[in-house]
Amino acid sequence: AQKVTQAQTEISVVEKEDVTLDCVYETRDTTYYLFWYKQPPSGELVFLIRRNSFDEQNEISGRYSWNFQKSTSSFNFTITASQVVDSAVYFCALSEESRFGAGKSTFGDGTTLTVKP
Amino acid sequence: NAGVTQTPKFQVLKTGQSMTLQCAQDMNHNSMYWYRQDPGMGLRLIYYSASEGTTDKGEVPNGYNVSRLNKREFSLRLESAAPSQTSVYFCASSGGGAYGYTFGSGTRLTVV
Repeated sequence: AQKVTQAQTEISVVEKEDVTLDCVYETRDTTYYLFWYKQPPSGELVFLIRRNSFDEQNEISGRYSWNFQKSTSSFNFTITASQVVDSAVYFCALSEESRFGAGKSTFGDGTTLTVKP
Repeated sequence: NAGVTQTPKFQVLKTGQSMTLQCAQDMNHNSMYWYRQDPGMGLRLIYYSASEGTTDKGEVPNGYNVSRLNKREFSLRLESAAPSQTSVYFCASSGGGAYGYTFGSGTRLTVV
């Protein structure tokens, strides 16, 4: 069975601080996919990034960066110079390979990030 | 705009009433899903459909039924609503495990 753990339930930072959201996953699959989604106060779920299990290259996109380490089963997300608009719930998710199922995703419980001005 | 359309956005039911949540996608995705979101519990899979004509139980299927009417539509039915089914429900579709989900805007359901 797949499992995703986001140990940080809530994080509060002051604007312009850097913040890292942790995600640890468990799976027996050799092929899998990892995602981060953002849920702002308005409630919709927005896709941020995906990584497949064969691609450990880390990525930077503006103020966002992601660190995928297969050796520690972690897929962490860092926001540099946080802004109030970054306040949201962030979900890490693990998806199975479609050939063996429906590409179902297992979600972590989410980390609520509050950025104070 | 292409995406996942979910209706209604809000609903209040009395215990024992029934209702159907509607979901439609126009992205030609094979797979569709229903999740519920409860405070502190992330998103839990209720039912899913890998392709038109197939449906399967997820993690928390009790009290729900689904219908994959065609490739576009996937509905969730509560036959006899209970207060424990008070939650926010999300429909999602996907073109495959590698691509992640596109979510509907959610339905906030309250059962009193």
